[in-house]
Amino acid sequence: DSGVTQTPKHLITATGQRVTLRCSPRSGDLSVYWYQQSLDQGLQFLIQYYNGEERAKGNILERFSAQQFPDLHSELNLSSLELGDSALYFCASSVVEGGTGYNEQFFGPGTRLTVL
Amino acid sequence: ILNVEQSPQSLHVQEGDSTNFTCSFPSSNFYALHWYRWETAKSPEALFVMTLNGDEKKKGRISATLNTKEGYSYLYIKGSQPEDSATYLCAFISNFGNEKLTFGTGTRLTIIP
Repeated sequence: DSGVTQTPKHLITATGQRVTLRCSPRSGDLSVYWYQQSLDQGLQFLIQYYNGEERAKGNILERFSAQQFPDLHSELNLSSLELGDSALYFCASSVVEGGTGYNEQFFGPGTRLTVL
Repeated sequence: ILNVEQSPQSLHVQEGDSTNFTCSFPSSNFYALHWYRWETAKSPEALFVMTLNGDEKKKGRISATLNTKEGYSYLYIKGSQPEDSATYLCAFISNFGNEKLTFGTGTRLTIIP
């Protein structure tokens, strides 16, 4: 158990809908990362938040948005869903000592999103 | 676009044998390299974070080396055990200032009992 929690575990929805994925980082970790893993692709970085502020952005679609709240939990919002958005979405967290890149990331169990 | 490549894509190794695989990354603008172990139906788990050229890290039977000048890292597993079966991912971070991880596609290791 990494200490990172994600809800829900599974989500099935229809095209055009909007969903929210939730992540609680390990206690004390200020940095939260979101990743997408599709069947035909490796793990793709979406976005990073550090202490409530957006820190880095990857290949995140405009239909997707995220935020990190004062209690450090984060939410990833996916809207106007398409079939291709079906994937495993991971959240990870890390401490920040000497730069976030120097610290291992702890991954949550993931949310499997199926868009029908 | 940063190119992080891992080879081989998959590997079958007899229990007790040692093995190694490679992660190649851009040799310029290096900041850090991460190795993760990802078992089926679980989430990725950090093995090593490597930051300096010539770094060698070890955790039990698993070790890793880093050559930032030529842009590669090796992961070694000594005396493979069935529980080593997993996908091993490396992830590169450049010094462009955004600290995002670019993952390779992984090496899928299967240990044959």
